[in-house]
Amino acid sequence: EVQVVESGGGLVQPGGSLRLSCAASGFTFSLYWMYWVRQAPGKGLEWVSAINYDGTTTIYADSVKGRFSISRDNAKDTLYVQMNGLRAEDTAVYYCVRLRGSWFDPWGQGTLVTVTS
Amino acid sequence: DIQMTQSPSSLSAFVGDSVTITCRASQSINNFLNWYQQKPGKAPKLLIYVASNLDSGVPSRFSGSGSGTDFTLSITSLQPEDVATYYCQQSDSGPYTFGQGTKLEIK
Repeated sequence: EVQVVESGGGLVQPGGSLRLSCAASGFTFSLYWMYWVRQAPGKGLEWVSAINYDGTTTIYADSVKGRFSISRDNAKDTLYVQMNGLRAEDTAVYYCVRLRGSWFDPWGQGTLVTVTS
Repeated sequence: DIQMTQSPSSLSAFVGDSVTITCRASQSINNFLNWYQQKPGKAPKLLIYVASNLDSGVPSRFSGSGSGTDFTLSITSLQPEDVATYYCQQSDSGPYTFGQGTKLEIK
């Protein structure tokens, strides 16, 4: 079964850091671009960051540029995002998604990040 | 960035009804338009890709159409399990932006 499973979310104070992980299985991880997409409570979907097959190309939404860093370990079939300088507005469920063709599939179950003092 | 606008923001219909959700792009995106379904408390799930292609396992009562800037998601014979928020997404050019969502409820 093709799936991705996120972990690492939690409660963090403003200015703090957190690293999310996404374990992929059921497909050849190294052949796909991977993305992080987030959803603030009661809000819509927002693309956050993306990484190419071998990690040599990374892109970020303006809202997280300079604070978040996406990476991957193809030997471990795992995607990461290091989140520094967290703000209240970063509070969201973070989803790991595979870019299949030109669409996102599958989506993980998400991991909740709450930034609060 | 390409802006995606969905309408309506919410709608309510009876079981068995047909409903249509529209999605408009701020510039032409060819056919690179995807639809996702997010049921309450769940992760989004791919419904339709490249405007009109149903993902595996998606019931045939769902259909998508459109090209250029204007697209529609149609659901015929609405079922209780279709209660969800539906999002469109363009994948013509990065960043792959989403519409704001359309919340579908059953009357």
